[in-house]
Amino acid sequence: EDKVVQSPLSLVVHEGDTVTLNCSYEVTNFRSLLWYKQEKKAPTFLFMLTSSGIEKKSGRLSSILDKKELSSILNITATQTGDSAIYLCAVEARDNNDMRFGAGTRLTVKP
Amino acid sequence: DAGVIQSPRHEVTEMGQEVTLRCKPISGHDYLFWYRQTMMRGLELLIYFNNNVPIDDSGMPEDRFSAKMPNASFSTLKIQPSEPRDSAVYFCASSFATDYEQYFGPGTRLTVT
Repeated sequence: EDKVVQSPLSLVVHEGDTVTLNCSYEVTNFRSLLWYKQEKKAPTFLFMLTSSGIEKKSGRLSSILDKKELSSILNITATQTGDSAIYLCAVEARDNNDMRFGAGTRLTVKP
Repeated sequence: DAGVIQSPRHEVTEMGQEVTLRCKPISGHDYLFWYRQTMMRGLELLIYFNNNVPIDDSGMPEDRFSAKMPNASFSTLKIQPSEPRDSAVYFCASSFATDYEQYFGPGTRLTVT
């Protein structure tokens, strides 16, 4: 069965630290991998990755996909307290467009 | 725990028909969320419940959509009458609180022809 595994489940860092969040997947007919940030209620979209090795960046956040390793990482540099959130990874399958979510990584950034 | 359970996994119906999607949250979770996922609009929050009470339904597209949570272990999302533009994947998620991890179900893929 398709599955998405995120690690670590939780992480506590101090402002200014750099963090790396991991997402690995087993999905039949992979289409894309998405990262979301969840603070309150609904997750907000961060990145969609479809091609291996191409880094996507948005400010201090960046993400890259490794199709060979069936994984993706989300990097956050110079973390701020506002980065504290749950980061969700989801993977879409090509044939049926099914989307499977990971359990999330809870990031806490302390001042 | 089996996680969040949704049924059916796939639903194909004709325009004008009533569609009912079902969700069983993780036992002990006080919050339940309904989302819609489309290629065009991404993931949209439709409604969420706390202790079976709807808290925010501002994301519900229109009156054709309704959601209920008669007890802590069951919720439904109903579309009546359905339209082709309702075709999407509908996710249910549950959590202990709004700022806690949300556990997503596998989704229901709805196709309205």
